[in-house]
Amino acid sequence: GDSVTQMEGPVTLSEEAFLTINCTYTATGYPSLFWYVQYPGEGLQLLLKATKADDKGSNKGFEATYRKETTSFHLEKGSVQVSDSAVYFCALSHHNTDKLIFGTGTRLQVFP
Amino acid sequence: NAGVTQTPKFQVLKTGQSMTLQCAQDMNHNSMYWYRQDPGMGLRLIYYSASEGTTDKGEVPNGYNVSRLNKREFSLRLESAAPSQTSVYFCASSAVLETQYFGPGTRLLVL
Repeated sequence: GDSVTQMEGPVTLSEEAFLTINCTYTATGYPSLFWYVQYPGEGLQLLLKATKADDKGSNKGFEATYRKETTSFHLEKGSVQVSDSAVYFCALSHHNTDKLIFGTGTRLQVFP
Repeated sequence: NAGVTQTPKFQVLKTGQSMTLQCAQDMNHNSMYWYRQDPGMGLRLIYYSASEGTTDKGEVPNGYNVSRLNKREFSLRLESAAPSQTSVYFCASSAVLETQYFGPGTRLLVL
């Protein structure tokens, strides 16, 4: 079945460091790919998405590119801030369904 | 515009007790979902509803029932709570094949 694999956390960085959180997927066909963010004590919010191969999703300085050849959707940010500390979830869905399949989440901790 | 709201925010139950988690959305979405979030396991779909009057099982439906009361509301019921149901429960809604919007969650502890 379909699945999403994320790098384990926590990822600990100093402010202004470069961030990469790896995400790979297993799925039939051409799923849509998502990154959701969960700030402490809150629900999940969509951070960015990509619906076809080679698409780049971007928001709030975060980027991720849909790589079909490597079945990956890695999240990157050039300069993280303390306010980016949160749990990040990679997810996929197929175009003919509303169901999301989530990875296990990666906790990011950014220190001043 | 409140988005997705959930009640209660926190609940403690004893094994065998029952309770209903409430969820409402004001975005006129057709689809609604219930997830549970457990450490190291991400979010897993319990039940979903593609439209008013329809519900379908997700990945982990055992021990739960749902009701799509109307287009706005989707409730999750635990008839006989077990410690394994200790979790954080999230409700979400979406337009058909569109982005899901999540509520703030209900933290449930079953003793």
